[in-house]
Amino acid sequence: SQTIHQWPATLVQPVGSPLSLECTVEGTSNPNLYWYRQAAGRGLQLLFYSVGIGQISSEVPQNLSASRPQDRQFILSSKKLLLSDSGFYLCAWSVRGTDQETQYFGPGTRLLVL
Amino acid sequence: SQQGEEDPQALSIQEGENATMNCSYKTSINNLQWYRQNSGRGLVHLILIRSNEREKHSGRLRVTLDTSKKSSSLLITASRAADTASYLCATDAGWGAQKLVFGQGTRLTINP
Repeated sequence: SQTIHQWPATLVQPVGSPLSLECTVEGTSNPNLYWYRQAAGRGLQLLFYSVGIGQISSEVPQNLSASRPQDRQFILSSKKLLLSDSGFYLCAWSVRGTDQETQYFGPGTRLLVL
Repeated sequence: SQQGEEDPQALSIQEGENATMNCSYKTSINNLQWYRQNSGRGLVHLILIRSNEREKHSGRLRVTLDTSKKSSSLLITASRAADTASYLCATDAGWGAQKLVFGQGTRLTINP
C-alpha cells in the first residue's frame, strides 16, 4: 500500500532562517507531487506541483521554492523565512492514470515563524 | 480566487441528525471531490463525482452535483461524534497535472 511521510511534524523557526521540509512517498512510482499551504482561517493554497524529477511548477510568487531530486521525494525550501510563511504545510500525491484526480495527503507540518 | 466555496462555514448538530454541506464553484469542471480534515491533520479523500454524474453514494455519504447551478452538496446521514471535522470541496478543471482548487471548508461539530 502507498504511504506518504512528512517531517518534521512541527517546526518553530526565527524570521530570516532557512527552511527545508521533506515529503516522501512509498509504494508508488512516478507520482504527481504537490505542496499546499493552509493559513489559519483560510483554505488550501497550492504552492508547487511536480509531474516528474526536476520538473517543478510554481503557482504563486513567494518566498519559497521546491525541488524534486528523486521520483518520490519532494522538498520545500526557503533561504530566509518571513513571518507570513507561518502555516500548515501539506504534501500530497496523485497517481498518473485513470484515477489520477484523487490526491492523497500527508500528515502535514505546522510551521511557526517568530 | 477560490473556485469552491462551502456553505455554511460552520455547522453544529446533534448526534444522529443528518448534516448537509454545500459547495459552489465558478467555472466548468471535470469532477468535484469532497475531503475531510480533522483538526491539525492532513486531508482524507471521501468521494469524487464526475461532471456527467448527478448523485453518488458511499456508506453514509451522499453527494449531489448540479452543473447548471455550479453547486454540490454533501449529506452525512445518521451523524456520529467521530464525524466532527472540516469538510472541503475541491474542483478539478482538468488542467495538466490534475490541480485541485479547494474551498475553505465547513466546520462540522457533532454534539453527543
